[in-house]
Amino acid sequence: GQNIDQPTEMTATEGAIVQINCTYQTSGFNGLFWYQQHAGEAPTFLSYNVLDGLEEKGRFSSFLSRSKGYSYLLLKELQMKDSASYLCAVQGTNAGKSTFGDGTTLTVKP
Amino acid sequence: GAGVSQSPSNKVTEKGKDVELRCDPISGHTALYWYRQSLGQGLEFLIYFQGNSAPDKSGLPSDRFSAERTGGSVSTLTIQRTQQEDSAVYLCASSFSGPSTDTQYFGPGTRLTVL
Repeated sequence: GQNIDQPTEMTATEGAIVQINCTYQTSGFNGLFWYQQHAGEAPTFLSYNVLDGLEEKGRFSSFLSRSKGYSYLLLKELQMKDSASYLCAVQGTNAGKSTFGDGTTLTVKP
Repeated sequence: GAGVSQSPSNKVTEKGKDVELRCDPISGHTALYWYRQSLGQGLEFLIYFQGNSAPDKSGLPSDRFSAERTGGSVSTLTIQRTQQEDSAVYLCASSFSGPSTDTQYFGPGTRLTVL
C-alpha cells in the first residue's frame, strides 16, 4: 500500500519562501504530483516528478528523491493568494491510482 | 472546450436512498477519475476509466458504489442505499491520455449530504 505524510499546517509571511515536505512509503512508485486546492474549490495541478531532482516552474519548484521517499514543494516570493491546501499524491504502479496525502494548509500573512 | 463539469453541484438525500452523480470530462480526454474528499481530508481515489473500461476499481469503498462510462465520455457514479458516512465532496477529473504524465483537470465536485 501507500503511506504519505505531510505537515498539517504551515504559516509564512508574504514575500518569503516556504518549503512543504512530503514523505512516502510505497509498494510501487511511478511518479509524484503536487496539487493546490483553495478552500471550497477543486484541486489544480502544480507539478509532476518522475526522476530525482528539482523541477522549477516560475515561483514554484518541486523536488524528488526516490531513494529517500521524499519530495518537497518550494514556493518563492509568497503572495496572499498562495494561501491554500497543498496536496502531495503518489502514483503507484497500478494504472491510474494515485494516493493523496491529507494536504498541508498554508496560511500566508502580511 | 470547457473544463470538466459535474452535476448536481449539491445533493441532499435521505439515508437509504440511491444517488447518481454525473461527470462530463473535457472533450477528447480519454482518461477519467473519480475521487472522494471528506471534510478536511485528502483525496481518496475511487476508480479510473481509460475509455469505457475501468482497469482499477479497487478504490470503491463498498459494493454499494458503482460507476460506468459510456461512449468514452460521460461517466456516472452511483451510490446505492446511501449511508451518512458517504457524505463528502465527490470530485471527477480527466486527462488527455493516461495517468502517467498527463495533468488531471478537476471538476468543481458534487457535495453529497446524507441525512
